[in-house]
Amino acid sequence: ILNVEQSPQSLHVQEGDSTNFTCSFPSSNFYALHWYRWETAKSPEALFVMTLNGDEKKKGRISATLNTKEGYSYLYIKGSQPEDSATYLCATHSGAGSYQLTFGKGTKLSVIP
Amino acid sequence: ETGVTQTPRHLVMGMTNKKSLKCEQHLGHNAMYWYKQSAKKPLELMFVYNFKEQTENNSVPSRFSPECPNSSHLFLHLHTLQPEDSALYLCASSYGYEQYFGPGTRLTVT
Repeated sequence: ILNVEQSPQSLHVQEGDSTNFTCSFPSSNFYALHWYRWETAKSPEALFVMTLNGDEKKKGRISATLNTKEGYSYLYIKGSQPEDSATYLCATHSGAGSYQLTFGKGTKLSVIP
Repeated sequence: ETGVTQTPRHLVMGMTNKKSLKCEQHLGHNAMYWYKQSAKKPLELMFVYNFKEQTENNSVPSRFSPECPNSSHLFLHLHTLQPEDSALYLCASSYGYEQYFGPGTRLTVT
């Protein structure tokens, strides 16, 4: 994997369903992984930053895991609500001295009431 | 509000115009960034400033000219743009490696 890839590109779920999506990234030269939540016409909002293999982070109904050896992270949303509708962005950070984040194209989630 | 503001939120300009985008952060951060998002593409980093000094320029055409007069303000000066430059331009700031974004300027070049 040369770039940060996210799947699926978009999905629709019913309110109350749980869902998850994937971020894949090059496992070499990895320093940190960021998840952002981006609602239409608003600023991307930071959800999690993870650095260590096996890291798990949780904020309310949203959680994320990280596997740096195989180069992937999962984002889980439990009991989706309409307000969870947004694009979820994943980005990797290649080193402590670099400011550059490499973003995936995002997963657009629509939660149907 | 994240503490990073951008003006204007929408801009329509002709190819011969000169305009500027403004970004301001009140978070006490030392680094500021310009990103571009085109349709169906990921966010692309354009420029990075750290303590007012430009540290990265990702091969951006010279028709985009950044300016960082202090750590709280960042400008993107635009001149003789092309229609393919129409995109959402996002500003961000950071202290460490966690970046905080503004809401973006939607630019349309006619």
